[in-house]
Amino acid sequence: EAQVTQNPRYLITVTGKKLTVTCSQNMNHEYMSWYRQDPGLGLRQIYYSMNVEVTDKGDVPEGYKVSRKEKRNFPLILESPSPNQTSLYFCASSLQWVADTQYFGPGTRLTVL
Amino acid sequence: AQSVTQLDSQVPVFEEAPVELRCNYSSSVSVYLFWYVQYPNQGLQLLLKYLSGSTLVKGINGFEAEFNKSQTSFHLRKPSVHISDTAEYFCAVVRSGSGGSNYKLTFGKGTLLTVNP
Repeated sequence: EAQVTQNPRYLITVTGKKLTVTCSQNMNHEYMSWYRQDPGLGLRQIYYSMNVEVTDKGDVPEGYKVSRKEKRNFPLILESPSPNQTSLYFCASSLQWVADTQYFGPGTRLTVL
Repeated sequence: AQSVTQLDSQVPVFEEAPVELRCNYSSSVSVYLFWYVQYPNQGLQLLLKYLSGSTLVKGINGFEAEFNKSQTSFHLRKPSVHISDTAEYFCAVVRSGSGGSNYKLTFGKGTLLTVNP
């Protein structure tokens, strides 16, 4: 089944404890991205990757890191999480670029205490 | 800078009534436009998109949208809604950054459609 998977689905952590949210797609897509969703703000793009080894900042990159060493994986890293990073995070992928249909993962709900 | 405005944060309607969810964008250049739907506790999925060509776009589940360049709008419509259409709907636009080489997807804040029996 073609899909985007994220792990973990739920995470409660404490301020300053490094964490990684994994994202994997099995559709051989080039473009991948991360979004955060907050009530009343919609989705905001954190980082995106046009292809392997090429990443760039979205609209809200502060406090996040990403890497794209393989086509299928695009992990999101929070080196020192803070409470304002409490949010619902979505990974998405598309065939070639951002205007292709985005396929979203199920989401990761992160709480930073 | 590109922005997307969804004019209604919540739209309650009765089953089998028509609905229109409004979306306006600001841009001085060509854009690509999308509507995504998010059912409760799920990720987003594409309803429809406008890239070029006919300004009336048909999507899944009986939804359609019309691109109006002069009004900079991309309103979503359905002639008769069902209870199962209850969800949050997001309008989105792809914009080019400086130099036209940095394309980004920007979402509106969403419209919660609630269909009541």
